[in-house]
Amino acid sequence: NAGVTQTPKFRVLKTGQSMTLLCAQDMNHEYMYWYRQDPGMGLRLIHYSVGEGTTAKGEVPDGYNVSRLKKQNFLLGLESAAPSQTSVYFCASGQTNEKLFFGSGTQLSVL
Amino acid sequence: QQQVKQSPQSLIVQKGGISIINCAYENTAFDYFPWYQQFPGKGPALLIAIRPDVSEKKEGRFTISFNKSAKQFSLHIMDSQPGDSATYFCAAFSGGTSYGKLTFGQGTILTVHP
Repeated sequence: NAGVTQTPKFRVLKTGQSMTLLCAQDMNHEYMYWYRQDPGMGLRLIHYSVGEGTTAKGEVPDGYNVSRLKKQNFLLGLESAAPSQTSVYFCASGQTNEKLFFGSGTQLSVL
Repeated sequence: QQQVKQSPQSLIVQKGGISIINCAYENTAFDYFPWYQQFPGKGPALLIAIRPDVSEKKEGRFTISFNKSAKQFSLHIMDSQPGDSATYFCAAFSGGTSYGKLTFGQGTILTVHP
């Protein structure tokens, strides 16, 4: 099993551009999450999903949108990227909402 | 609003020493406290976790100590090894429904010198 796979691994955007980060899990997990990691800030929850077709806002949802059309995939979209969205993005999944399995991250730079 | 406060931000320990990382929380509804370990270029991975009905949990060289009255918990790494060098995150979970979620501390960068 691949676990949690994130694509792309690296991306550089110009301010105002849009992009979608893809998270795929092959563990049949119900729960999926998008976090961002910034130095000194820990991991902050952006959006999450408690099952196929559901989404909910986390701690820092502004500027991001998500979709979970299929159980195994959770997409994070940036409609108009801003330099403040420069970060490392992690996707996580879990069969329960307590124990999470993380992907390897996407390093995003917005110039 | 940071509901879980973690310290220190960075820690340097000699091989064989004890590493101690502390976390404090405010929300008494938290009922599950995991620690995650993250190596450079990787995602965090669950290391050890505790529930508030016990005061200590040990797995190998890793121990969580939990003080419910003080609303604090800590990770102790005994006989620290260079391979333990990583970033450690404490977290707290408030559940009750399917919309429960983890709140993470700020992270501690641990360096173990040979």
